[in-house]
Amino acid sequence: QLVLTQSPSASASLGASVKLTCTLSSGHSSYAIAWHQQQPEKGPRYLMKLNSDGSHSKGDGIPDRFSGSSSGAERYLTISSLQSEDEADYYCQTWGTGIHDVVFGGGTKLTVL
Amino acid sequence: EVQLVESGGGLVQPGGSLRLSCAASGFTFSSYDMHWVRQATGKGLEWVSAIGTAGDTYYPGSVKGRFTISRENAKNSLYLQMNSLRAGDTAVYYCARGGAMDVWGKGTTVTVSS
Repeated sequence: QLVLTQSPSASASLGASVKLTCTLSSGHSSYAIAWHQQQPEKGPRYLMKLNSDGSHSKGDGIPDRFSGSSSGAERYLTISSLQSEDEADYYCQTWGTGIHDVVFGGGTKLTVL
Repeated sequence: EVQLVESGGGLVQPGGSLRLSCAASGFTFSSYDMHWVRQATGKGLEWVSAIGTAGDTYYPGSVKGRFTISRENAKNSLYLQMNSLRAGDTAVYYCARGGAMDVWGKGTTVTVSS
């Protein structure tokens, strides 16, 4: 069964960097994912598509501070030079082998200290 | 500007029906798979349905048989017909573009309550 696992929470200081992790379930380590940001009281916003080889394509207007990387079944979102507006929920999502196979991770709530 | 705008949400009694719409603009709507995703208050994102460019449709078990996704390419519009609504269907409903959901609407709120 295709499952995405995320830590429920993370925190880092203003100006620092943070690396969020999304783990694909066994047998699905080759899948691409997408990262989405949801700021408080707002709808989701697409950040990037992240492939298994670490290549990624960001959405329009997404700052260079946001980057993605991959290792095996792990997909990472790194945010550098943290700003207060980065405090948000971050969701990973995959569509597996097709749009019939859509799954979201449980989300990571990022607190900027 | 690439945009998705949802409408049609509201208050409905348990067992009732509602039809949501999503108006697309700024891109070739017919060339993209489309999705509905919902979010209950304080909860995470939940995939609700998908429709391919050929009109093929997909649902998770939680809504299969009750919800129907459709599209009208001539009107650049996506729809979600929701029947036999339950309290657990209460959520903000979003439409999103493509497998990676690279464009999202702002959402429309559905409340199922007596």
